[in-house]
This record gives sequence, structure tokens and C-alpha cells, in this order.
Amino acid sequence: QKEVEQDPGPLSVPEGAIVSLNCTYSNSAFQYFMWYRQYSRKGPELLMYTYSSGNKEDGRFTAQVDKSSKYISLFIRDSQPSDSATYLCAMKVQGAQKLVFGQGTRLTINP
Amino acid sequence: EAGVAQSPRYKIIEKRQSVAFWCNPISGHATLYWYQQILGQGPKLLIQFQNNGVVDDSQLPKDRFSAERLKGVDSTLKIQPAKLEDSAVYLCASRRTGTAYNEQFFGPGTRLTVL
Repeated sequence: QKEVEQDPGPLSVPEGAIVSLNCTYSNSAFQYFMWYRQYSRKGPELLMYTYSSGNKEDGRFTAQVDKSSKYISLFIRDSQPSDSATYLCAMKVQGAQKLVFGQGTRLTINP
Repeated sequence: EAGVAQSPRYKIIEKRQSVAFWCNPISGHATLYWYQQILGQGPKLLIQFQNNGVVDDSQLPKDRFSAERLKGVDSTLKIQPAKLEDSAVYLCASRRTGTAYNEQFFGPGTRLTVL
């Protein structure tokens, strides 16, 4: 079993839809949870991070962490074609530097 | 602030040949990472440097892969000899010391095709 599981998609939705991206994990020691966005032929860029449980909102993006279920989510409201990318979840243990990435979900927003 | 630079951007070689990738991290970033990203997968850490010392190379296939960061700035990753399964994007990332959540800044990657 992989430490971090993420549905690879692909996921295709119409412009303006609400998008939900998810990851599950097995290591209960993970404390930092991140979402990276990766455009085609580019390196990943950090989109959001959350420490421990709870929600975090940044514009159209909301990150949620449910540690009891070992489940994290990223919601995108009013999705735009420019949101089309691969979204990677990543996690780490407190005090460690190593990030463990999910497989990535390929998202396409259709105009 | 300039981002992480990598070269070459693309490389095509035949199996059993050698190849080297170069990375220049963001100025002042002490930590440097090399990742392998196979098509359709997330990045997998190969090696992590803190200044010019190795912190973690547990997933580096040491029989064919090597990496160095001699002066604590630029880094080179080498594969010798290459295998077909080494076809992937090799990403370099750097991090400024002191961020608890470990934000890593990634370069554009080198796309390697082994024929």
C-alpha cells in the first residue's frame, strides 16, 4: 500500500463548476499537508498548505484536512480554464524534510 | 528572485549511455532536492542535500545514479549507464531553511528519454 493515494483521473469539468480533489494517506504521523499545481512541462508550484486538521481558504481554493479519516481535499470554486493542470497532494511528518507526494490528478476545465 | 534553473530541458539517449543534469537553486537556499517523476506519477525523492552534504539518498539507485553538490550551490545528477526505465522528468527543487511547512521551489525539470 502506498503511503499516499490519489486518484489520477483524468477529471474533466465545465467552466464554473466546483471541483473536488482528494487524497488518502496511511501514515498517521503526517502533520503538514500541501497541494501543488503542475502545468504541462513545468515543475510543481505550491498552491496551499495546511498544518494538522481543519480548513484553509485562499480565494477560490479551499483545503480541508480530516486526520481522523486520513483524508484531505482541495476544492476549487468557479473553476477556470487556467486551472487546468495536474494537482499533486504532498505530506510530511513534523520535523522531517521529506515530502511524500500522491500520484497527481489531471484536471481539465472546459470553456 | 530568479527561480530554480535546470539544464538541459530535454535529453534523448540510448540505453547504456551516460547522461548528466545540472541544477542551480534559488540563491541562498541551503537545501536542494532531486526528484524523479515518471509519466503519470508523483515526484519521487532521489536525493536531498543540505549545503554540500547528503541528508537522504535512500531511494537513489546508487549502482547507476550519482549526485554531487560540491560548493553547496549548483548540483549535478548523473546516470551511468542508463536503462529504459530511467525515462522520466528529473526535477530539482530548493528550499530556504526555516520554513516549517517545507515549501520547495521546483525547476522546470529535464525530460529524459532512453531508447
